[in-house]
Amino acid sequence: AQRVTQPEKLLSVFKGAPVELKCNYSYSGSPELFWYVQYSRQRLQLLLRHISRESIKGFTADLNKGETSFHLKKPFAQEEDSAMYYCALKGAGANSKLTFGKGITLSVRP
Amino acid sequence: NAGVMQNPRHLVRRRGQEARLRCSPMKGHSHVYWYRQLPEEGLKFMVYLQKENIIDESGMPKERFSAEFPKEGPSILRIQQVVRGDSAAYFCASSPSGWTGELFFGEGSRLTVL
Repeated sequence: AQRVTQPEKLLSVFKGAPVELKCNYSYSGSPELFWYVQYSRQRLQLLLRHISRESIKGFTADLNKGETSFHLKKPFAQEEDSAMYYCALKGAGANSKLTFGKGITLSVRP
Repeated sequence: NAGVMQNPRHLVRRRGQEARLRCSPMKGHSHVYWYRQLPEEGLKFMVYLQKENIIDESGMPKERFSAEFPKEGPSILRIQQVVRGDSAAYFCASSPSGWTGELFFGEGSRLTVL
């Protein structure tokens, strides 16, 4: 079974503060991990994936297999980062589904 | 290239009626996924379909729910004899054949059962 846990529902920070959105997963094999984001009145969309090891909009996420975590980080939050963030996991196999966590609302105050 | 299109965006049904939600994937995409979002629950996987095939329906309730993705036309999520607990937002996503690591989501259909 595959499971994604996002322990917090809401994170509120001031502009310029660091952000860390936590994500832990449970999966017996080698997963693919993703962060999806939904801005106000927009569709859910892919933010980044662990395979790419890229920084998108200043966000990074490192897969830590020892801690089974994939936390999303940004050193200096911006107001436009306010959104709902979902961590997601895809198991091995071409037909494996994408499992989402419950999501966290990030609110960046001016 | 139009995005994933879902309709209706809002649907109101009385208990016992049927609800049909439609999803047209992005052009060129042959894989469709349905997710349900309940308050405080996040996105719950329901079913994964390819054209004319159900690949994974492990998230579908055993009764009253069905899904199809015919060779021609949109994917349909059908809920028979709706109950109040079916009230939720239903999201469809699509991807091209072969996993690319990204799902493209529709805007969702919100079902309200009176």
